[in-house]
Amino acid sequence: ILNVEQSPQSLHVQEGDSTNFTCSFPSSNFYALHWYRWETAKSPEALFVMTLNGDEKKKGRISATLNTKEGYSYLYIKGSQPEDSATYLCAHNAGNNRKLIWGLGTSLAVNP
Amino acid sequence: NAGVTQTPKFQVLKTGQSMTLQCAQDMNHNSMYWYRQDPGMGLRLIYYSASEGTTDKGEVPNGYNVSRLNKREFSLRLESAAPSQTSVYFCASRPRAGNTIYFGEGSWLTVV
Repeated sequence: ILNVEQSPQSLHVQEGDSTNFTCSFPSSNFYALHWYRWETAKSPEALFVMTLNGDEKKKGRISATLNTKEGYSYLYIKGSQPEDSATYLCAHNAGNNRKLIWGLGTSLAVNP
Repeated sequence: NAGVTQTPKFQVLKTGQSMTLQCAQDMNHNSMYWYRQDPGMGLRLIYYSASEGTTDKGEVPNGYNVSRLNKREFSLRLESAAPSQTSVYFCASRPRAGNTIYFGEGSWLTVV
């Protein structure tokens, strides 16, 4: 059962726009929330792993927040660039069982 | 730094043929995973290995077998390939003390 939901499914923005996506997950038995960036024909690359409610992490122009009580995480990209075009995946890890449940991803296209 | 290496990158099989996807990691990680990625579906776990000598079924194990040959290598075998196994396969690994998962570059398998 797919219980990690990402929205929107796809997004087209202009270079320079800021954007954000949502990942929703079950709030019970939370252990960790992962964000990955996946370019076509390459391997998914880890962006953030977040474990604490209220966590906020940043890497360059990309940041993420976590609300474990209500079961959502936001990923923000400030000043999007064409090289940000990729699929952004989130995954939920419940109960430290070493298995992740993956969302379907948000596909971002940044037009120059 | 090779990271996670999987072979072959592309393969076309006839229905009923067998093949093995090879995966190796040079990061001394304990856990290793095999996922498949299909259009419209999230990454789905086929099998995983929490440590050398152990393997467990994931969400979609039917039609597959795995071997954790040693700490470095985790192979996925299709004994009798079916068109439903046409997919992109990703091998991944994870350290004992961390949450980040590291992926290989994927293997594109077509069964005709």
